[in-house]
Amino acid sequence: GAVVSQHPSWVICKSGTSVKIECRSLDFQATTMFWYRQFPKKSLMLMATSNEGSKATYEQGVEKDKFLINHASLTLSTLTVTSAHPEDSSFYICSAAGFLAGVATGELFFGEGSRLTVL
Amino acid sequence: QKEVEQNSGPLSVPEGAIASLNCTYSDRGSQSFFWYRQYSGKSPELIMSIYSNGDKEDGRFTAQLNKASQYVSLLIRDSQPSDSATYLCAVGGYGGSQGNLIFGKGTKLSVKP
Repeated sequence: GAVVSQHPSWVICKSGTSVKIECRSLDFQATTMFWYRQFPKKSLMLMATSNEGSKATYEQGVEKDKFLINHASLTLSTLTVTSAHPEDSSFYICSAAGFLAGVATGELFFGEGSRLTVL
Repeated sequence: QKEVEQNSGPLSVPEGAIASLNCTYSDRGSQSFFWYRQYSGKSPELIMSIYSNGDKEDGRFTAQLNKASQYVSLLIRDSQPSDSATYLCAVGGYGGSQGNLIFGKGTKLSVKP
């Protein structure tokens, strides 16, 4: 399967600071990546769809000015949590779609995840 | 609102037994179905994908899909302690709607030695 790498795997920051999380597709080009958030014992929730070269599409209830997404290349998408607060503490996971012969299969391949703790 | 329902568990089975995980979904237009395994503190790992009615087998895993009943299941034969994890059911549209998967809350499986 496709390899998606995420960095950092964990980060602790003070309230009010900004944190950037990187997501890279290592062995393929990903025109679209997806950012999920998972609170403890809760399901994965799609936050936004990151599109290479264009603006991200945010899910309802997700503040686009707080969660800045940049997809500047076919292999890199970044999520910046701006002015982080304790309630933003969560497990953030990026993913990329799988393709077979140029057709999306619908499968998602996930990065390792980034655990954010805001003090 | 599109929903995917799973029993949260925990589902406890003895080593070597068959574990049966179930999932129902609300959107009749769903076309792609996936099972992911998630170990505690880790990101999900794709186990199985299924797109048409019937069974699909891969090693010790068998996925079953019944679109008429809006039901998908995962069977794990000869369960091992290493299978202990949370299993997430995910449902999506056509491949064109890549990534717009709806996840269930997951079923926690515990395999006892």
